[in-house]
Amino acid sequence: EIVLTQSPGTLSLSPGERATLSCRASQSVTSSNLAWYQQKPGQAPSLLIYETSNRATGIPDRFSGSGSGTDFTLTISRLEPEDFAVYYCQQYGGSPEWTFGQGTKVEI
Amino acid sequence: EVQLVESGGGLVQPGGSLRLSCAASGFIFSSHWMLWVRQVPGKGLVWVSRINTDGRNPMYAESVKGRFTISRDNAKNTLYLQMNSLRVEDTAVYYCTRGGPGWYFDNWGQGTLVTVSS
Repeated sequence: EIVLTQSPGTLSLSPGERATLSCRASQSVTSSNLAWYQQKPGQAPSLLIYETSNRATGIPDRFSGSGSGTDFTLTISRLEPEDFAVYYCQQYGGSPEWTFGQGTKVEI
Repeated sequence: EVQLVESGGGLVQPGGSLRLSCAASGFIFSSHWMLWVRQVPGKGLVWVSRINTDGRNPMYAESVKGRFTISRDNAKNTLYLQMNSLRVEDTAVYYCTRGGPGWYFDNWGQGTLVTVSS
């Protein structure tokens, strides 16, 4: 099983600041198999970034993804009030087919 | 607009059964593989099951294999999850999700809560 470890667990920042979220895999992950999701309180998750660096439809360009192999990063260049949420990375491959990281909470 | 609406959740005793449904609209249902993902309230996301466009070759997480069955009715644009021999640890919000062109989930339902308790 490929384990994804996200850090930090909680990120305390202010609007306008830059957020850098890390996702580290226990084995190499194909770049096309790495995605990020955003989950706001009381809501379902929504797709943010797919295939490591592609923004989903409607996602503003302050969100960007990068990385390869076992290290992947989600960057929010300037935090807006609506960006405070929990972010999950996800990978596809192996057994089980899909695994998620434990999440990073971005809070004010 | 893509819509996924889950139903069928509720309170059930350990050992009991429940069938979840997910009504899909706004896209060609038969062209997309579909999945179930669950989340214990306050915890992370866990993939449960996946089904191909034609309903063949379903896949399951080890924790539910042999107890849960995923199926779909493309004529009714509906995804199902039959859950048998339910355990306390199956308590979670269950989300219906749509598979994207790649190995990611591009749309999610609002979720339905399943509580397994005596």
